[in-house]
Amino acid sequence: GENVEQHPSTLSVQEGDSAVIKCTYSDSASNYFPWYKQELGKGPQLIIDIRSNVGEKKDQRIAVTLNKTAKHFSLHITETQPEDSAVYFCAASRIQGAQKLVFGQGTRLTINP
Amino acid sequence: NAGVMQNPRHLVRRRGQEARLRCSPMKGHSHVYWYRQLPEEGLKFMVYLQKENIIDESGMPKERFSAEFPKEGPSILRIQQVVRGDSAAYFCASSPVREGQFFGPGTRLTVL
Repeated sequence: GENVEQHPSTLSVQEGDSAVIKCTYSDSASNYFPWYKQELGKGPQLIIDIRSNVGEKKDQRIAVTLNKTAKHFSLHITETQPEDSAVYFCAASRIQGAQKLVFGQGTRLTINP
Repeated sequence: NAGVMQNPRHLVRRRGQEARLRCSPMKGHSHVYWYRQLPEEGLKFMVYLQKENIIDESGMPKERFSAEFPKEGPSILRIQQVVRGDSAAYFCASSPVREGQFFGPGTRLTVL
């Protein structure tokens, strides 16, 4: 079945530096790749997503890149702030909005002041 | 526009009891998904429903678990005869057609 691998499992960066989280997926039919941020005791929050017909998408300090040939995608957070500290999950599905999401294992990001 | 609502937020059950988890999707969303999250792990898909229909239940355990999304009212995830291994956070998500999934705050089930 579909599998999504996420690395690293933990990441610690200095405030103001950049953070990069990487994911690989196994199902070549996957076409939709969202990223979620989960704070302690809360549900996952959709922060950015990308479809397979796009190689890169940016929203302020957050960007996502996709390499369909290599079947991997990455989340980039620039100018990190303490409030960016959370667990981040990547996911993949075949169809946006009408198909189950397969999640990575998560990355615990800590921003050090 | 209210987000996805789940209740209860916390649920404690003894082994052998039944657990009922409720999810009200965002207004205008016709797709509902249930996921389970064990401590320190990612979310695992359980079931995908549209109004009165189960579309994909490939992630649901074959026994004791059931889900519904009636024409009126919230979606319900029911776990019968709970065991300690059922202790987890259960998240509901909803989406309109061809859009992303938005998650509720979750129900944290503890089985004593």
